[in-house]
Amino acid sequence: GDSVTQMEGPVTLSEEAFLTINCTYTATGYPSLFWYVQYPGEGLQLLLKATKADDKGSNKGFEATYRKETTSFHLEKGSVQVSDSAVYFCALILLTGGGNKLTFGTGTQLKVEL
Amino acid sequence: GAGVSQSPSNKVTEKGKDVELRCDPISGHTALYWYRQRLGQGLEFLIYFQGNSAPDKSGLPSDRFSAERTGESVSTLTIQRTQQEDSAVYLCASSPGLAAYEQYFGPGTRLTVT
Repeated sequence: GDSVTQMEGPVTLSEEAFLTINCTYTATGYPSLFWYVQYPGEGLQLLLKATKADDKGSNKGFEATYRKETTSFHLEKGSVQVSDSAVYFCALILLTGGGNKLTFGTGTQLKVEL
Repeated sequence: GAGVSQSPSNKVTEKGKDVELRCDPISGHTALYWYRQRLGQGLEFLIYFQGNSAPDKSGLPSDRFSAERTGESVSTLTIQRTQQEDSAVYLCASSPGLAAYEQYFGPGTRLTVT
């Protein structure tokens, strides 16, 4: 079946450090890929998305590129802030044959310290 | 405008009791989803409603779980004869329709079965 694998956390960084959270996927078709973020005490929010190969999703300084050849969608940010501390989830949707249900990774907790 | 709301925010119940969890989607959203997040795991899809179509129940873990939705409004997830392994955060999401990628999540209901 479809699955998403992302690096385990927690990831602890100093403010202004470079962030990478790895995500790889397995899918029987051609999925759309997403990063969701969950800030402390809040619901899941869509951070960015990419719907086809080589697309780059970006938002709030975060970026991720859809790499079909490596089945990856790694999340990056050049300079993290304390306010980026949250849990990040990689996810996919297959709109044909898989309905619209999201398949999520287990989440990666990011802690950014001063 | 109002987002997705869920109630209760926390529920503690004794093993064997039935529980009902409620979700109010964003007005006008035709699609509604239930997911479960157990501690240390990713989100698991449970059930999906789209308009008046038959729901996709493929993620329900057992016949103790059921869900209803009245038209395009409120949904109720019912767990009968709760077990300790049902302890999790239950998340509801809604989206504008079948072709819409983004799902808007509620804050979740934390269920603890003692």
